[in-house]
Amino acid sequence: EAGVAQSPRYKIIEKRQSVAFWCNPISGHATLYWYQQILGQGPKLLIQFQNNGVVDDSQLPKDRFSAERLKGVDSTLKIQPAKLEDSAVYLCASSLGIAVYNEQFFGPGTRLTVL
Amino acid sequence: QKEVEQDPGPLSVPEGAIVSLNCTYSNSAFQYFMWYRQYSRKGPELLMYTYSSGNKEDGRFTAQVDKSSKYISLFIRDSQPSDSATYLCAMSGISFGNEKLTFGTGTRLTIIP
Repeated sequence: EAGVAQSPRYKIIEKRQSVAFWCNPISGHATLYWYQQILGQGPKLLIQFQNNGVVDDSQLPKDRFSAERLKGVDSTLKIQPAKLEDSAVYLCASSLGIAVYNEQFFGPGTRLTVL
Repeated sequence: QKEVEQDPGPLSVPEGAIVSLNCTYSNSAFQYFMWYRQYSRKGPELLMYTYSSGNKEDGRFTAQVDKSSKYISLFIRDSQPSDSATYLCAMSGISFGNEKLTFGTGTRLTIIP
């Protein structure tokens, strides 16, 4: 079974530029998550989708971050404009369903450096 | 005060030793408790999860939850160099709106051959 795919793996941009990350979840997984993991910290949930609807985006900085999952499969996360403090690993995860007992499977992440 | 506190380490132990990793938490609504292992440049992978209080064993790994003390532990017996990774505790509630995972900062563990 293929895992969660993410691209690109690494990205370096200057502040005020925009950037987009892509995630392809495990086939059949209805729930998709985007996490931000700053160096030395645990992952923090940014947004959670159930199919193509948003379940929780309470911790998403909506003035600069946006995410979509138009067809209920792939998802993109965009930052515009980027700030220095956005330097982090952006992890995508997926699970069969929304209930907490459904295991979340994580992708390898996209490491973003903002200069 | 953070909802979940975890000693970041780093922790280095010789091969074969018993490792104890711990987290404390403040949110009494947490009911699901998980341990993830994260290798360098990889995403976290679920090791074990426990619902409510008690112990759970899986091979060399034992997870303990003490809800009265708001304290969870992961024990690794007969530690191996392949156990070298960052270990993250995570927890969540079960009621609607309380289901997102809250992670600790992670403990970096090195097993010395």
